[in-house]
Amino acid sequence: SFELTQPPSVSVSPGQTASITCFGDKLGDNYACWYQQKPGQSPVLVIYQDSKRPSGIPERFSGSNSGNTATLTISGTQAMDEADYYCQAWDSSSVVFGGGTKLTVL
Amino acid sequence: QITLKESGPTLVKPTQTLTLTCNFSGFSLSTSGVGVGWIRQPPGKALEWLALIYWDGDKRNSPSLRNRLTITKDTSKNQVVLTLTNMDPVDTATYYCAHRGKNAAFDIWGQGTMVTVSS
Repeated sequence: SFELTQPPSVSVSPGQTASITCFGDKLGDNYACWYQQKPGQSPVLVIYQDSKRPSGIPERFSGSNSGNTATLTISGTQAMDEADYYCQAWDSSSVVFGGGTKLTVL
Repeated sequence: QITLKESGPTLVKPTQTLTLTCNFSGFSLSTSGVGVGWIRQPPGKALEWLALIYWDGDKRNSPSLRNRLTITKDTSKNQVVLTLTNMDPVDTATYYCAHRGKNAAFDIWGQGTMVTVSS
């Protein structure tokens, strides 16, 4: 079955660039999207169709997807970006989520 | 403005059937390309997709739960209902419904409802 693999945790200093990866077999052949989830809150879509930002999402969030890896990049990371991030893609007609990455800003 | 809200029991016993309702507003589930999905999250764990129903009635279920899941819609009531049979303590989770837009992503989520399975 199709699986998406994320690193459990990523740390970044404020103002620096954070990169969170999502690995899946031939993931680049499908669209990937990313969700941000803060403690006690519902997930929020931050990137869809690999690299598009929904309205209201800051420009510091960007995405790419090629080969077997999708990447969420947060430029100029802020303390408010500390959260869990999940990638998601489609496997034929099924939805697949990655295991999530906890982003720590310290 | 699109909103979704989940409702249902907070506690169910093992072997019982869980029925959750997603009431939504701000869109029609008869609009081409639109869908409503269910996703759950056990405490401290990752998101898990459960099911999705499209504007045309097409349905998709998680392969791992296919035999236990049913998803239906009532377009006139702006509702989507999820049933999960033979509940087990491992099914304890927060259950979310979400709007699946034409961008093929879950772009708006409900607040979630916590369901505990315990005797």
